[in-house]
Amino acid sequence: DAGITQSPRHKVTETGTPVTLRCHQTENHRYMYWYRQDPGHGLRLIHYSYGVKDTDKGEVSDGYSVSRSKTEDFLLTLESATSSQTSVYFCAISGTAASGNTIYFGEGSWLTVV
Amino acid sequence: GENVGLHLPTLSVQEGDNSIINCAYSNSASDYFIWYKQESGKGPQFIIDIRSNMDKRQGQRVTVLLNKTVKHLSLQIAATQPGDSAVYFCAEKGAPDTGRRALTFGSGTRLQVQP
Repeated sequence: DAGITQSPRHKVTETGTPVTLRCHQTENHRYMYWYRQDPGHGLRLIHYSYGVKDTDKGEVSDGYSVSRSKTEDFLLTLESATSSQTSVYFCAISGTAASGNTIYFGEGSWLTVV
Repeated sequence: GENVGLHLPTLSVQEGDNSIINCAYSNSASDYFIWYKQESGKGPQFIIDIRSNMDKRQGQRVTVLLNKTVKHLSLQIAATQPGDSAVYFCAEKGAPDTGRRALTFGSGTRLQVQP
C-alpha cells in the first residue's frame, strides 16, 4: 500500500457539468500523476506534478486541468465533461528516498459521462 | 515519436509452465523500465523494474530482461499460477535530464493461465 486514496471511486455525471477527482497521498511523494485508461489505448498521461504548484501537461491534457496546492493532494478537473471523457482515471505517485523512481498507482476512479 | 508496444495481446499458458511476455520500445533515451500487473477492476500493481545500465534483474518468480541493442524488454514468470492471470503492462521513462519524468505505457498483454 503506497498510501494513495482516490475519490470518488465511481461517479456518473451529465455532459457539460464540472467534475473534480481527488488524489490524496500520505507519504510525502514529490511526483503525482493522473492517467486515464481506455480499451485499446492502455494508460495515457493527462497531467503530472513535480511539486506544489508545479504541474505539466501529458499527452491527453485537452479538456482537463489540475491543481496541487499542497504536497498530499492532486486534483483533476473536467471543466465541462464530455462523453469522450468517460474513462477510468488513475492517480500515481513517485519520488521519496525510499521508493525512488518506482511509480505506484491508486485503485482508480470510474467516471461515466451521460 | 515514442512507442512502447507489446508483441502479443493475449498469452495463454498452462499452470506450472513458464510465461514470457515481450515488449518493444523505440526511444533509445529510455532510462528506466517497469512491469505492472493489473487485475480486473484494480489499479496497476508494480512487479519489477530495471534500469538501462542493467540487462537482467530477478525477483520472486519473475525476471526482467533488457536488450538495449534491439530495444526489447521481457518479463519471465516462473511456474505460472492461476493468480498470475491478469493484464501485464511494460512502461518506460527517460532519464531526469531529458525532462521525461512520467511513464509511457504499452497497450498491455493479457495472460490467461489454464488449470
